[in-house]
Amino acid sequence: KQEVTQIPAALSVPEGENLVLNCSFTDSAIYNLQWFRQDPGKGLTSLLLIQSSQREQTSGRLNASLDKSSGRSTLYIAASQPGDSATYLCAVSEAGGTSYGKLTFGQGTILTVHP
Amino acid sequence: SAVISQKPSRDICQRGTSLTIQCQVDSQVTMMFWYRQQPGQSLTLIATANQGSEATYESGFVIDKFPISRPNLTFSTLTVSNMSPEDSSIYLCSVEDDRGRAYEQYFGPGTRLTVT
Repeated sequence: KQEVTQIPAALSVPEGENLVLNCSFTDSAIYNLQWFRQDPGKGLTSLLLIQSSQREQTSGRLNASLDKSSGRSTLYIAASQPGDSATYLCAVSEAGGTSYGKLTFGQGTILTVHP
Repeated sequence: SAVISQKPSRDICQRGTSLTIQCQVDSQVTMMFWYRQQPGQSLTLIATANQGSEATYESGFVIDKFPISRPNLTFSTLTVSNMSPEDSSIYLCSVEDDRGRAYEQYFGPGTRLTVT
């Protein structure tokens, strides 16, 4: 059974810092990995998707990398801003199934960026 | 990306009653998914809803407790039946974009359910 772990569970940084969020998964047979953002009481916003054949994806100040063989992904946030404060979730989808939407989620990293 | 809406956004219900949550997508999608997020926890998949067939439930979830309908390619409902306080959670629907090969997932805003 796939298990996804995110470290750290919580992170508090001053504005402007660069930071790294970590995600690890136990079964390397994934189809893709997605990073989401969740604001308190809200739904999930997709940030980046990395297919299993890819190494990294970038969007603005965000960069996500994937090392499938070692079961690890990182989300790098450059020049953090107070608006980045949210819970960041990592999720992986199964390979070889009839649907790739069966996501297994990590517990999330609660990020606080203070001015 | 798909735009997903859910109704209601939140509700407070008494134990023993049932609540039906609606999920509407702005485009036709093959697969829709229902997730549960218990307080302070991450998301857990309840079931996969494919239009024209019975929903497929994950271990620990049963149709009698969480009946799902999928009448067309843009709509689905999840009913939480005979509710207890342990059902207090955020319920989210999601869809996958299967037009390319990435199968990116998009989520609705969620329905926050409190059972008293």
